[in-house]
Amino acid sequence: IAGITQAPTSQILAAGRRMTLRCTQDMRHNAMYWYRQDLGLGLRLIHYSNTAGTTGKGEVPDGYSVSRANTDDFPLTLASAVPSQTSVYFCASSEWQSSYNEQFFGPGTRLTVL
Amino acid sequence: EDQVTQSPEALRLQEGESSSLNCSYTVSGLRGLFWYRQDPGKGPEFLFTLYSAGEEKEKERLKATLTKKESFLHITAPKPEDSATYLCAVQTFSGGYNKLIFGAGTRLAVHP
Repeated sequence: IAGITQAPTSQILAAGRRMTLRCTQDMRHNAMYWYRQDLGLGLRLIHYSNTAGTTGKGEVPDGYSVSRANTDDFPLTLASAVPSQTSVYFCASSEWQSSYNEQFFGPGTRLTVL
Repeated sequence: EDQVTQSPEALRLQEGESSSLNCSYTVSGLRGLFWYRQDPGKGPEFLFTLYSAGEEKEKERLKATLTKKESFLHITAPKPEDSATYLCAVQTFSGGYNKLIFGAGTRLAVHP
């Protein structure tokens, strides 16, 4: 089934630890995104990638890094997790990074940093 | 400042009781307005895109409309399976990329 997969589904992490959230899409979309969703707030963009080999900072990039080695994979890394990074993280993709393409979302990763 | 506000925060309806959800926005150059549905523990699911004032789109019991300052999601004769959080997002070009700004959502509960 075409779509986006994320791993892990959930994770409890000690503060200061390094963590990588994985995201893979099989729709051959050029653009990919990472969002965080917090209670009472809208989804906020962390980082994005227009095409393989390029990345950009979104609204809340501090404490996170991404890479885009190929079209399908877009991992998000927390170098040294802090409790404020407790959130639900969603990966998304769209055919192009343009206003005419809707974004499709993965099932999310629930991360708790203690 | 670009902003999206959804109201109400939560809405409880009886099955068959039609209503509307509101999404008001302030952006410097609207490129599109998106509606998504999100079920508990799941990712947002795309519903509609609207691009210009006066545009309308329909899907089953849902109809989305757009004006220059707001969008409405009308739900006609809702069923319990329509219960979900509905998210509105506006797209604008800012910081060198097409940016989606999401509202906090409206939690809809439809009771039999």
